[in-house]
Amino acid sequence: DVQLVESGRGLVRPGGSLRLSCTASGFILSNYWMSWVRQAPGKGLEWVANIDQDGDKKYYVDSVKDRFTISRDNARNSLYLQMNSLRSEDTAVYYCARVAVSGFDYWGQGTLVTVSS
Amino acid sequence: DIVMTQSPDSLAVSLGERATINCKSSQSLLYNSNNKNYLAWYQQKPGQPPKLLIYWASTRESGVPDRFSGSGSGTDFSLTIASLQAEDVAVYYCQQHYTTWTFGPGTKVEVK
Repeated sequence: DVQLVESGRGLVRPGGSLRLSCTASGFILSNYWMSWVRQAPGKGLEWVANIDQDGDKKYYVDSVKDRFTISRDNARNSLYLQMNSLRSEDTAVYYCARVAVSGFDYWGQGTLVTVSS
Repeated sequence: DIVMTQSPDSLAVSLGERATINCKSSQSLLYNSNNKNYLAWYQQKPGQPPKLLIYWASTRESGVPDRFSGSGSGTDFSLTIASLQAEDVAVYYCQQHYTTWTFGPGTKVEVK
């Protein structure tokens, strides 16, 4: 079965950094684009970043450009999101998702990031 | 950037009745080379991650009950639940992936 498990949740002060990880199993990670999507408390879904199979192409929502970096290690079956210069508005549950031609077909359970002083 | 809107924000429907959610994009999602609309629908139940329901605007994902259907093309799309069941209570999101990826704001479906 396809599984995506996020880790790295935490409470961070504004201006701080945090690295999220997503461990994939049940499929060949190197065959797929991958994505991070977030959801602020009580709010809707916001796409954050995507990365292609080799890690060469990366796309970000404007609000995180130059602060967040998506990366992957296919040999370790892992996806990452390095988050720097965190703001209170970055507080959210962060999901990793597999990107298929059809859409985001598998999602992890999410990990909570809280940015607060 | 493509902006997605949904209507209504919420709706309450009696069990067994039809529910229809609308989604509009700020530009066409129809890719002429393959005649596909790059529009997907997701269902999110409380405390759970989203689940892909419909892709290419009208194709049901494997395992999705046939009471769910998608329609539309270009900039206007709809998700219909033909006969609402209690387990369909959720927030529904449309998403475009014509250029990067954008979600609509969501529509909350409840039982009347």
